[in-house]
Amino acid sequence: DADVTQTPRNRITKTGKRIMLECSQTKGHDRMYWYRQDPGLGLRLIYYSFDVKDINKGEISDGYSVSRQAQAKFSLSLESAIPNQTALYFCATSAGTGPYEQYFGPGTRLTVT
Amino acid sequence: GENVEQHPSTLSVQEGDSAVIKCTYSDSASNYFPWYKQELGKGPQLIIDIRSNVGEKKDQRIAVTLNKTAKHFSLHITETQPEDSAVYFCAASGGKPGANNLFFGTGTRLTVIP
Repeated sequence: DADVTQTPRNRITKTGKRIMLECSQTKGHDRMYWYRQDPGLGLRLIYYSFDVKDINKGEISDGYSVSRQAQAKFSLSLESAIPNQTALYFCATSAGTGPYEQYFGPGTRLTVT
Repeated sequence: GENVEQHPSTLSVQEGDSAVIKCTYSDSASNYFPWYKQELGKGPQLIIDIRSNVGEKKDQRIAVTLNKTAKHFSLHITETQPEDSAVYFCAASGGKPGANNLFFGTGTRLTVIP
């Protein structure tokens, strides 16, 4: 089984709808991240969490919120989806207190019409 | 914050040739430089990384070099094979003590022509 899973893998939604993307990990890592990938822009950090009680904004947090329900679960919400939030979303985890390898999930392709 | 630039955006090479991808970074405090490979439909996967106390690191056909003075680092793939075709991302991290946030380049789409 995959160490980092994301659900759903694909989602089409309409402008104004609320949507939640979920991430689960079995690696036992404390740190979890949400990234957004757009063509030609690489990956940009939306939110990150060092543990259940520690959640931080990344580069592009406007329009997004997150919830860390447990060490293994980190959810990303779009309260009112808009078309320019159409993108590929990745969850990642890492261990340790310094810079270490991040392990990425398979991604969720979100389309907002 | 950190700004990472990556070139080229696309690269085509003949099978067996070498491929080089270059990145520059802006924050002199960054001390961790990973390279990720992303295959179609999958998440990025770490292929090699280097820390600022090392100038070069090799792993079989893959090598990374780091020039801290010039603030640039490069990925070298030798004897390329069709399965090397993917999008490659460089990243930089570690500007803040205890931080692990990665700042990514914009990616290089490598195509290895059989």
